[in-house]
Amino acid sequence: NAGVTQTPKFQVLKTGQSMTLQCAQDMNHNSMYWYRQDPGMGLRLIYYSASEGTTDKGEVPNGYNVSRLNKREFSLRLESAAPSQTSVYFCASSESGGKPDTQYFGPGTRLTVL
Amino acid sequence: QKEVEQDPGPLSVPEGAIVSLNCTYSNSAFQYFMWYRQYSRKGPELLMYTYSSGNKEDGRFTAQVDKSSKYISLFIRDSQPSDSATYLCAPRSGAGGSYIPTFGRGTSLIVHP
Repeated sequence: NAGVTQTPKFQVLKTGQSMTLQCAQDMNHNSMYWYRQDPGMGLRLIYYSASEGTTDKGEVPNGYNVSRLNKREFSLRLESAAPSQTSVYFCASSESGGKPDTQYFGPGTRLTVL
Repeated sequence: QKEVEQDPGPLSVPEGAIVSLNCTYSNSAFQYFMWYRQYSRKGPELLMYTYSSGNKEDGRFTAQVDKSSKYISLFIRDSQPSDSATYLCAPRSGAGGSYIPTFGRGTSLIVHP
């Protein structure tokens, strides 16, 4: 099992460009998440999907959109990138409802917006 | 005030030392208390968790929760250089509440030989 995979691993964008970060999991998990991690700020939840067909905003959703394409895949889109979106982005998945509902993280995407 | 507070460190200790990592929280609804470990340039992974108050031991690691003071601890005995990582506490609510954990900022631990 590959677990949670993310593409790309690295990306450099110019201000105003758009891009989509891809995430897939092969653990048959119901819930999927997108976090960003910045120095001194810890992990902050951007969006999550409790189950296929549903998405909800997290702590820092502005400037992002998501799509739960199917049970396996959850993508994050930046429509018009800004330097403030320079960060490391992690996708995670979990069974949901489990105890304690462990989240499994991908390796991350390092995004720089110039 | 953030819901979960954690000193970012870094905490530097010699090999073999006992390490104490701590968090405080403000949400009384938290019932599960998880610790994630994150190596440099990797995603976090669950290290261990406890339910409600008390201690839980797993090898060299002991997690401790004091709900009365809203204080979470992770102790590492006989620390090794391979324990060098960032440790994130992540409490979450119990049944009826949000199943999504609230992550602390993480404490960077450096164990030098």
